[in-house]
Amino acid sequence: QKEVEQNSGPLSVPEGAIASLNCTYSDRGSQSFFWYRQYSGKSPELIMSIYSNGDKEDGRFTAQLNKASQYVSLLIRDSQPSDSATYLCAVNRGGADGLTFGKGTHLIIQP
Amino acid sequence: EAQVTQNPRYLITVTGKKLTVTCSQNMNHEYMSWYRQDPGLGLRQIYYSMNVEVTDKGDVPEGYKVSRKEKRNFPLILESPSPNQTSLYFCASSSGSNQPQHFGDGTRLSIL
Repeated sequence: QKEVEQNSGPLSVPEGAIASLNCTYSDRGSQSFFWYRQYSGKSPELIMSIYSNGDKEDGRFTAQLNKASQYVSLLIRDSQPSDSATYLCAVNRGGADGLTFGKGTHLIIQP
Repeated sequence: EAQVTQNPRYLITVTGKKLTVTCSQNMNHEYMSWYRQDPGLGLRQIYYSMNVEVTDKGDVPEGYKVSRKEKRNFPLILESPSPNQTSLYFCASSSGSNQPQHFGDGTRLSIL
């Protein structure tokens, strides 16, 4: 069973604070992990990819992966109102069937 | 510019009238995929293709067909659309099944 779980939110964070988004997955064989941002009515946009345990930083974004706990997270530092969107976690098991997406977390950055 | 192009962007049609949503990518990607997105259900994969003439079912393939005759194109075919196929559809491509996917702008389909 392919499952990727996210809290649907909404998650409300004050401007300038750190937003923390979490995702768990059920398949221990999963190998590739991605975070996408999706504005309402728009297509998903890739923010981060992570393939190995630990942290990966890119600007204000940090992805964290813990394969033992089957957990991947996204931290957004210095949150801006433009970060308000739905964040999708996606996982690939290493097979040909591509990505399984969580249902997304709706993030609201309050000015 | 690297992109995935879907057409049409919006379509309102009636039950039973065959339709095709086209998808084209200019990145020479081998892997392409179709998703539908519905409120509360998230993104669900319909079909995917590993390469030319290689396609397989995703999680929700019923009522859909695809073809991959050329590397750049991956059309989605609804031979007899029904109202439960009203949804927002996305085409995506990547260099491999475990690589990040690049999405088209989406097609909003309404079946009356």
